[in-house]
Amino acid sequence: NAGVMQNPRHLVRRRGQEARLRCSPMKGHSHVYWYRQLPEEGLKFMVYLQKENIIDESGMPKERFSAEFPKEGPSILRIQQVVRGDSAAYFCASSPYPPRTGTNYGYTFGSGTRLTVV
Amino acid sequence: GDSVTQMEGPVTLSEEAFLTINCTYTATGYPSLFWYVQYPGEGLQLLLKATKADDKGSNKGFEATYRKETTSFHLEKGSVQVSDSAVYFCAQLTGGGNKLTFGTGTQLKVEL
Repeated sequence: NAGVMQNPRHLVRRRGQEARLRCSPMKGHSHVYWYRQLPEEGLKFMVYLQKENIIDESGMPKERFSAEFPKEGPSILRIQQVVRGDSAAYFCASSPYPPRTGTNYGYTFGSGTRLTVV
Repeated sequence: GDSVTQMEGPVTLSEEAFLTINCTYTATGYPSLFWYVQYPGEGLQLLLKATKADDKGSNKGFEATYRKETTSFHLEKGSVQVSDSAVYFCAQLTGGGNKLTFGTGTQLKVEL
């Protein structure tokens, strides 16, 4: 049973280009979360998606960032017109159920995509 | 708002020393609590969890007890190994929320 798969592992983009990060959740998981880890910082929530729906995007920057989780295929985090400040590790996580306290599971994280903007 | 506070690192210990990494939380309601570990260049792995007060999570020799009275979830290990060197993150999931809230992480370095 493969875990959460993210690709690419490393991505280099020039300022102004677009970055597309992919995440395939664990089999049977229909809830996907994206987090960003800036250098020397903890993980910050960006967005929570279910199939074809954005449930919570309260952590997404207002401009240039978008996310989707189509009926078929992986979840995509898209960053348009990247800037140096977008350089970070982007982690995807998945879960089989909606977030709920008292449950006996945690999110499963992928290995991340490390984006470098030059 | 909901938040998690961890002791700052790096924490440097000799092999076989006792480890404590402090974690406290603020939350409305009763969160589930987690410790994740991140090895260099890798993603986060769930280390242990506790879903209600007085629960003790344990895994690989690590333990943490959910203390509601002190709003804490300190991570402990009786005898660390060099292979435990990593960054440790405390996190909470609060009722009605859609996300895990993480602390800033504590880097642990274990030396021979």
